[in-house]
Amino acid sequence: DAGVIQSPRHEVTEMGQEVTLRCKPISGHDYLFWYRQTMMRGLELLIYFNNNVPIDDSGMPEDRFSAKMPNASFSTLKIQPSEPRDSAVYFCASSLGQELEAFFGQGTRLTVV
Amino acid sequence: GEDVEQSLFLSVREGDSSVINCTYTDSSSTYLYWYKQEPGAGLQLLTYIFSNMDMKQDQRLTVLLNKKDKHLSLRIADTQTGDSAIYFCAESIKSDMRFGAGTRLTVKP
Repeated sequence: DAGVIQSPRHEVTEMGQEVTLRCKPISGHDYLFWYRQTMMRGLELLIYFNNNVPIDDSGMPEDRFSAKMPNASFSTLKIQPSEPRDSAVYFCASSLGQELEAFFGQGTRLTVV
Repeated sequence: GEDVEQSLFLSVREGDSSVINCTYTDSSSTYLYWYKQEPGAGLQLLTYIFSNMDMKQDQRLTVLLNKKDKHLSLRIADTQTGDSAIYFCAESIKSDMRFGAGTRLTVKP
């Protein structure tokens, strides 16, 4: 397996635009996590899914953020409208079980100007 | 509190030992983890310890767990420049894995 695949690796967009980040988890993994990493706040859990169902979205900062997992092999994190303070590295991770190793993608570096 | 806490920065000289400390929140956590993030990359699992253990050693890495104080530490012996990275402590709570903010380890030659 190629691991968790995220796209794009880098995204630069203007304030107010919609941004969609994509993630393909490792095949067979039933948990998927979205994290945001900034220098100021470190690594923050935004939302996670179990068997494609959102379980906890309490980390999603605002209604501007939404995440979907239409099937077991694909998830999106959307920001609409984007703001400069959303600039961060967004990581997707997947795991086989609730307490097993989480495998991270390489992240999407988002810059909102 | 609800946060996994760790100091943000640590600087050591090459060849010295590094000790990265973490306090976690939930005494019922089954596993506690250390992840490593190298520049420009995602996090990778470095090591983990089961909650009924006090210590785990793996080559240059030693993990110590004090359940009473909810304190976890990672010791890296003979630290090398290649160990420069961000190290994250994490605990599993039910289906949620909570990470600390990460400790940036800088190794000076």
